[in-house]
Amino acid sequence: DAGVTQSPTHLIKTRGQQVTLRCSPKSGHDTVSWYQQALGQGPQFIFQYYEEEERQRGNFPDRFSGHQFPNYSSELNVNALLLGDSALYLCASSLWGASGANVLTFGAGSRLTVL
Amino acid sequence: AQSVSQHNHHVILSEAASLELGCNYSYGGTVNLFWYVQYPGQHLQLLLKYFSGDPLVKGIKGFEAEFIKSKFSFNLRKPSVQWSDTAEYFCAVIHGSSNTGKLIFGQGTTLQVKP
Repeated sequence: DAGVTQSPTHLIKTRGQQVTLRCSPKSGHDTVSWYQQALGQGPQFIFQYYEEEERQRGNFPDRFSGHQFPNYSSELNVNALLLGDSALYLCASSLWGASGANVLTFGAGSRLTVL
Repeated sequence: AQSVSQHNHHVILSEAASLELGCNYSYGGTVNLFWYVQYPGQHLQLLLKYFSGDPLVKGIKGFEAEFIKSKFSFNLRKPSVQWSDTAEYFCAVIHGSSNTGKLIFGQGTTLQVKP
């Protein structure tokens, strides 16, 4: 059990559609980061949320947006889907400000296929 | 751009063989270093981490890694691998000591251990 839960586990969309992925952090964690893992690649950082605000952002276009709720859960939204958005989307949680705050706990991911 | 390089993309070993996976990063300042493992069908799990102190770090399942600052390296080692070590291994770095959650991952090394 990863402690971080993500939904859905798999989904298929067509180009131009929009998708929302959801994440519940590990109990006791208050910070959520999202990563994109293309096939055969390492995960790439999309953004990080803490206190319902985006704190850090990677090199991803504005089509990628997110939200964090008061219960620390988070959503990743991707608009105007492209074929290249097909990937495994990973959510990771951590505890802001604690010793080892950069130690992330990852979920199993949501696999998005864009046709 | 900051990057992490894993030299071996695919490694095949027999059980009981010794393992060393190379990892180099491009940033010269303060770093936090990690090795994550992804077993088939499972989520990313932390093997070990280096924040400061003793450059030889011991992790779970008999793995260890050595931080060599002068070489910008953080190689992963295990003296005797088992079939159950078959997995994908990712080296990752966070630059600086802030709570960015912005790990930069290498491309990954697929380890196949033959029984």
